[in-house]
Amino acid sequence: DIVLTQTPPTLSATIGQSVSISCRSSQSLLHSNGITYLNWLIQRPGQPPQLLIYFLSRLESGVPNRFTGSGSGTDFTLKISGVEADDLGFYYCVQSTHIPYTFGPGTKLELK
Amino acid sequence: EVQLVETGGGLVQPGNSLKLSCATSGFTFSTAWMNWIRQTPGKRLEWLAQIEDKSNNYFISYLESVKGRFTISRDDSKSSVYLQMNNLKEEDTAIYYCTASSWFAYWGQGTLVTVSS
Repeated sequence: DIVLTQTPPTLSATIGQSVSISCRSSQSLLHSNGITYLNWLIQRPGQPPQLLIYFLSRLESGVPNRFTGSGSGTDFTLKISGVEADDLGFYYCVQSTHIPYTFGPGTKLELK
Repeated sequence: EVQLVETGGGLVQPGNSLKLSCATSGFTFSTAWMNWIRQTPGKRLEWLAQIEDKSNNYFISYLESVKGRFTISRDDSKSSVYLQMNNLKEEDTAIYYCTASSWFAYWGQGTLVTVSS
């Protein structure tokens, strides 16, 4: 099974600060069809997870463009350019290239 | 508006069964690949099963550790997906979510399953 590792486990930020979360995969997530099925989710307190970015870098409808996904192969990054209060919560990377689909352990974004 | 509503969770003794249901609306269910995912008390997310659409012959995939105990199914006429869970274990205690698409575009609010004697 694909293992996803996220760093850091906890991220303390001030409002307006730019931050990045890393997600590393134990195998390449590039599918034979050329798509990298690496997705990012946010889970706010008391809420189900919500899709932010899919297929490595595509912004889900309604998601602010301060969120950016990048990377290739086995190394991926989610960047938030200017943290807002609504961004606080847990962030998960998840791969859907290989069955079984697998999730990273999560990164908690909190206010400093 | 997209909605996914899971029902069927509850408290169950080890070895017993539960069937979860997920009723959906607001998107084209018949062409959506549907998944069940659970979140443990430690907040870890775990993919359990996927059922593809009719054009893919409703192909099903499972996490190896639940294969043979869990069964995913769907009813396109009701825009619903189901998860039959048998021989439940204490480690199956979690919030169970249904999601739409293989990139988890839509999520329900989840239903809590507690397995305890």
